[in-house]
Amino acid sequence: QVQLVQSGAEVKKPGSSVKVSCKASGGTFSSYAISWVRQAPGQGLEWMGGIIPIFGTPNYAQKFQGRVTITTDESTSTAYMELSSLRSEDTAIYYCASHGGNSLDNWGQGTLVTVSS
Amino acid sequence: QSVLTQPPSVSGAPGQRVTISCTGSSSNIGAGYDVHWYQQLPGTAPKLLIYANTNRPSGVPDRFSGSKSGTSASLAITGLQAEDEADYYCQSYDSSLSGVVFGGGTKLTVL
Repeated sequence: QVQLVQSGAEVKKPGSSVKVSCKASGGTFSSYAISWVRQAPGQGLEWMGGIIPIFGTPNYAQKFQGRVTITTDESTSTAYMELSSLRSEDTAIYYCASHGGNSLDNWGQGTLVTVSS
Repeated sequence: QSVLTQPPSVSGAPGQRVTISCTGSSSNIGAGYDVHWYQQLPGTAPKLLIYANTNRPSGVPDRFSGSKSGTSASLAITGLQAEDEADYYCQSYDSSLSGVVFGGGTKLTVL
């Protein structure tokens, strides 16, 4: 069973960037994909993008192309999601999740990112 | 606007059966991609409930079941319990978007 532990809550200014980490334990980190999903207050789930560590090439949702960067560090079994040019609408809980095929089998606890001046 | 369409809310009395629909298109569910379902209890991360259309992960009660036909899928919950009150999301893959897609979510209220 893969367990995912995310970094803590962040408060950011509009126009700045945020980088959220997701440390995995259990399983073989390089062999399963990791996706990032966000949830704005009172809203549904929104896929941002994903990466398979062994391949290293991320796949981003069109909405976030150019603003999001997903990377992994196999030496520490950690995935990262960096979102730039933050605006108030980016205030949300950001989740990482590990894949089993196309399903998201295991989820991190979520990281609240608040964008406020 | 979500790629997959779910009803915003459903409700049922304890012990009853409810279903939640998830409608897609020819580039996702209709293209043969699997549908997965998640349960999100208030204030918690989503949890995988049904994977690959009909399969339950270990620990998920058999009161939960999934089905898929054509461009749609459904989640059925029998013997409703108060603890089932949550948001439910369907998810698939879309070949036109080359990525994961979700439904807008359905809030289940146990009366």
